[in-house]
Amino acid sequence: DSGVTQTPKHLITATGQRVTLRCSPRSGDLSVYWYQQSLDQGLQFLIQYYNGEERAKGNILERFSAQQFPDLHSELNLSSLELGDSALYFCASSLGGTSSGNTIYFGEGSWLTVV
Amino acid sequence: GENVEQHPSTLSVQEGDSAVIKCTYSDSASNYFPWYKQELGKRPQLIIDIRSNVGEKKDQRIAVTLNKTAKHFSLHITETQPEDSAVYFCAAARSGGGADGLTFGKGTHLIIQP
Repeated sequence: DSGVTQTPKHLITATGQRVTLRCSPRSGDLSVYWYQQSLDQGLQFLIQYYNGEERAKGNILERFSAQQFPDLHSELNLSSLELGDSALYFCASSLGGTSSGNTIYFGEGSWLTVV
Repeated sequence: GENVEQHPSTLSVQEGDSAVIKCTYSDSASNYFPWYKQELGKRPQLIIDIRSNVGEKKDQRIAVTLNKTAKHFSLHITETQPEDSAVYFCAAARSGGGADGLTFGKGTHLIIQP
């Protein structure tokens, strides 16, 4: 158990809908990362938050947004869902950034299926 | 931004033999290189990592080497066992610049043949 908690574990929804994925980082970790994993794209970095502030953006679509709350949990919002958004979404956390020498730990992921 | 290339995409070895997975990166500012193991449908788990001030690191049957001049790093698994079968990802992280996320390679599916 990495200590990173993600909910829900599985989610099936229709095209055009909106879903929210939730993540609780390891106790004490200030950085939260979101990754998307699909068969053809590998692990794609979406976005990073550090202590409530957006730190870095990767390949995140405009239909997607995220935030980190004062209690450090994070939510990833996916809207106007398309079939191609079906993927495994991972949240990860670290004490600080990797450039500061910190290790990133992954949660178990949220399986999203868009039908 | 950083770009990480990983080879091979699939590697099949006999149980007991060694396996080597290679990665190259593009950003000379990268200074942290972890390797993750992912079993089907599960989370990536860190198995070993190396930082740019070290050329080699070993942990039991697993070792990682780093060549900063050539911008490549490799994972070596010796005496492979069936439980080593999984997808292995290399990654790189840049120092500073505000972006601390990992850039991953495409992964290597390691198959251990009994």
